[in-house]
Amino acid sequence: DGGITQSPKYLFRKEGQNVTLSCEQNLNHDAMYWYRQDPGQGLRLIYYSQIVNDFQKGDIAEGYSVSREKKESFPLTVTSAQKNPTAFYLCASSIMVAETQYFGPGTRLTVL
Amino acid sequence: GDSVTQMEGPVTLSEEAFLTINCTYTATGYPSLFWYVQYPGEGLQLLLKATKADDKGSNKGFEATYRKETTSFHLEKGSVQVSDSAVYFCALFTGNQFYFGTGTSLTVIP
Repeated sequence: DGGITQSPKYLFRKEGQNVTLSCEQNLNHDAMYWYRQDPGQGLRLIYYSQIVNDFQKGDIAEGYSVSREKKESFPLTVTSAQKNPTAFYLCASSIMVAETQYFGPGTRLTVL
Repeated sequence: GDSVTQMEGPVTLSEEAFLTINCTYTATGYPSLFWYVQYPGEGLQLLLKATKADDKGSNKGFEATYRKETTSFHLEKGSVQVSDSAVYFCALFTGNQFYFGTGTSLTVIP
């Protein structure tokens, strides 16, 4: 079954800690994305990657970091510099940047 | 800048009612337009899309027509079901980035 997996589904962290969210796809897509979803604000782009070893900042990249060492994987690290990290995080992928995006089930991060 | 504006919810309808969710956009050039649906606790799923003016996207009884003259891509369904209860997002792709609307929550009651 092809698709996008995100883990864990729910994540809790203490203030001041870094945390890494996993995103894996077996769709052989070149492009991958990370979005943040907050109530009433829709989706906001954090980072995206068009190809392995390349990534670009989105609209709200401050306090986040990513890596793209493998085509299948695009992990997102939420650092302690992110002032308001509690949110629902969605990963997506597409064949290339211009194409339809396919989304994972999301990770809900709560900072205690 | 490029953006998408969709009607605020929440929207509550009775089963078999007609649905319209308005979406307008601002963009330079010729964007592609999308509707995504999000069921509770899940990620987004593509519902339909249109890539050029006057194209009509359709899926599962939902339709939307790309209207360049009014910069709109309104979502419609003739007869909604309880299973259509979800949040609906309008989105556009301008050539290098996707922009999503804030989402419209739909609840269909039996």
